[in-house]
Amino acid sequence: KQEVTQIPAALSVPEGENLVLNCSFTDSAIYNLQWFRQDPGKGLTSLLLIQSSQREQTSGRLNASLDKSSGRSTLYIAASQPGDSATYLCAVYAGGFKTIFGAGTRLFVKA
Amino acid sequence: EAGVTQFPSHSVIEKGQTVTLRCDPISGHDNLYWYRRVMGKEIKFLLHFVKESKQDESGMPNNRFLAERTGGTYSTLKVQPAELEDSGVYFCASSQGGANVLTFGAGSRLTVL
Repeated sequence: KQEVTQIPAALSVPEGENLVLNCSFTDSAIYNLQWFRQDPGKGLTSLLLIQSSQREQTSGRLNASLDKSSGRSTLYIAASQPGDSATYLCAVYAGGFKTIFGAGTRLFVKA
Repeated sequence: EAGVTQFPSHSVIEKGQTVTLRCDPISGHDNLYWYRRVMGKEIKFLLHFVKESKQDESGMPNNRFLAERTGGTYSTLKVQPAELEDSGVYFCASSQGGANVLTFGAGSRLTVL
């Protein structure tokens, strides 16, 4: 049974710091992995999608890596800003039309 | 292109009452999903429609939950009677084809008192 774990559960950093969020999954047989962002009272915004054949994806200050064999992904945020404060969710798709989510990392960037 | 639309955004009801949540997927998306996040827990799959047919409802908690997708367009999720543990955020998502790249709605927050 696929399980997704995210570490840390919460993180507080000063503005301008680079940071890494971690995601691990128990079954390496996945089709893709997505990182989402959730703001309070808002829906889920897809940040980056990595297909199983890819190693990383980049969008602006965000870089996500995928090591399928070890069951790990990281989301790197460069030069963090207060507007980056949100909950970041990692989710894997392993078929069967079910996406499995981690519990998320709550990020607070202090001005 | 309009995104996935959900309403109400927030519903507060008393235990034993009924609530119906609605989801309008992206036009043309045959796949529609319901997910739920209860306090402090992961977002969990509830069910999946392909057009108007339920493909997988293995995540539905119990028979107090009823989902429908008449005509393969919008979907409703009814909770009757609501219990305290049903409180949480109910997300709807849609996708096209088999790539399973989901677009999520803003969610409907349900509070059962």
